[in-house]
Amino acid sequence: GAGVSQSPSNKVTEKGKDVELRCDPISGHTALYWYRQSLGQGLEFLIYFQGNSAPDKSGLPSDRFSAERTGGSVSTLTIQRTQQEDSAVYLCASSLAARTYNEQFFGPGTRLTVL
Amino acid sequence: AQTVTQSQPEMSVQEAETVTLSCTYDTSESDYYLFWYKQPPSRQMILVIRQEAYKQQNATENRFSVNFQKAAKSFSLKISDSQLGDAAMYFCAYTDTGTASKLTFGTGTRLQVTL
Repeated sequence: GAGVSQSPSNKVTEKGKDVELRCDPISGHTALYWYRQSLGQGLEFLIYFQGNSAPDKSGLPSDRFSAERTGGSVSTLTIQRTQQEDSAVYLCASSLAARTYNEQFFGPGTRLTVL
Repeated sequence: AQTVTQSQPEMSVQEAETVTLSCTYDTSESDYYLFWYKQPPSRQMILVIRQEAYKQQNATENRFSVNFQKAAKSFSLKISDSQLGDAAMYFCAYTDTGTASKLTFGTGTRLQVTL
């Protein structure tokens, strides 16, 4: 079956512009996670959804970052007034449910470059 | 807070040889999971192997095995009979029941495989 997909694959934007990153999880997966991978760094957690609700937004770096999930499926990560430090690869993952034993399946990521 | 440390930014191994990647972690939890993920240039994170903390037996998946030392909080990955396709970034990751499965990652080890 289809894996996790993300779009766009690459995004170049100017400082101060808003961007939207999209994640399509595996069908039937109720949990969805967003991570950020900055150059030379590991992945850092941003937010996760169980269904349409986001119980843990603790990783969002500032109020310029927001995310939503509709219909228990597609999720959008929005970054407002982008800054150069937002440049990174944004990875999305989904799993059957938010349980430790459920494997997270990752998408290919969106590489965001802020000029 | 839980932390994961990978102290080897880069490693190199000859084809058909064995290499060990190191990982240490810090947690006060007793029930947790540890993972090794592989990230090739395609950016797609692939689960290599998973270890449940309450299981004393080290996990094995074909050429990949771990050395899990719970008391020392160490979780190393051994790759036997290395192949060119094993070249990638390898990330050690942790999760526990208190974190709703969000993963905490190390900074990664870049593995080169030479002829």
